[in-house]
Amino acid sequence: NAGVTQTPKFQVLKTGQSMTLQCAQDMNHNSMYWYRQDPGMGLRLIYYSASEGTTDKGEVPNGYNVSRLNKREFSLRLESAAPSQTSVYFCASRLRRTSRADTQYFGPGTRLTVL
Amino acid sequence: RKEVEQDPGPFNVPEGATVAFNCTYSNSASQSFFWYRQDCRKEPKLLMSVYSSGNEDGRFTAQLNRASQYISLLIRDSKLSDSATYLCVVNTEDTGRRALTFGSGTRLQVQP
Repeated sequence: NAGVTQTPKFQVLKTGQSMTLQCAQDMNHNSMYWYRQDPGMGLRLIYYSASEGTTDKGEVPNGYNVSRLNKREFSLRLESAAPSQTSVYFCASRLRRTSRADTQYFGPGTRLTVL
Repeated sequence: RKEVEQDPGPFNVPEGATVAFNCTYSNSASQSFFWYRQDCRKEPKLLMSVYSSGNEDGRFTAQLNRASQYISLLIRDSKLSDSATYLCVVNTEDTGRRALTFGSGTRLQVQP
C-alpha cells in the first residue's frame, strides 16, 4: 500500500515549456486534490476532483489544467510554464469529500523550478 | 484577512518545555479542524483532529473555541523530534469549491 505517489520528484523547465505532473493513490479514495506550496503562503488549492469524472477549480487555477483519468489517477498539466509557477506541488486524496471527520493524505511532492 | 492565521514563529524551546500554538479562522461555518505536521521538504501529515470538547493524544492536546474561532495545540515535554512546522487546517464544506484551508504554519525548533 503506497498511499499517494507523485512523479516526478524534481523538474526544471524553461519558460514556455509544458509538462504534466502525475499523481496516483491506491486507497480507493473518491476525492483528489492538487496544491501548491510557496514560502509564507501555505498550501493553496489549484484544482480538485470530488469524484471520478468531475473536476473543479480551486483558489489558484490559472495556468493549470487537470485530468481525472480514473479513480486512482489525477494529473496536473502546465501548458506554458512561467517563473511564477516555481513551487512545490502536492497531490492529496480523501475518502469522502462531504465527510466531517476524514481528512486528506498527501503525496511526497514535486519540486518544480521554471527558469 | 487570511482565512486561517497562525504565528509563523519560529518558536525556539529547550527539550522538555511545554509550548502552545494558536490559530484563528475567519469562517464561522467551518465544521472540522485539524493539526498537521510538516517536516522540512516533506509532505504534510495529519497530527490530530480537533474536537469541540478538546482532545489529547499522548503529549499533544488540541482545543477548539468556536465562539472565539480559535484552535490551539499544546505540546508537553518537547522532544528534539518535535521540531517541524505545524499547520492549522480548517474544513468548510460549502457548495464544494474548497474543502480544507491551510494556515501558513508555525515553525517549532526544539533545542538540546
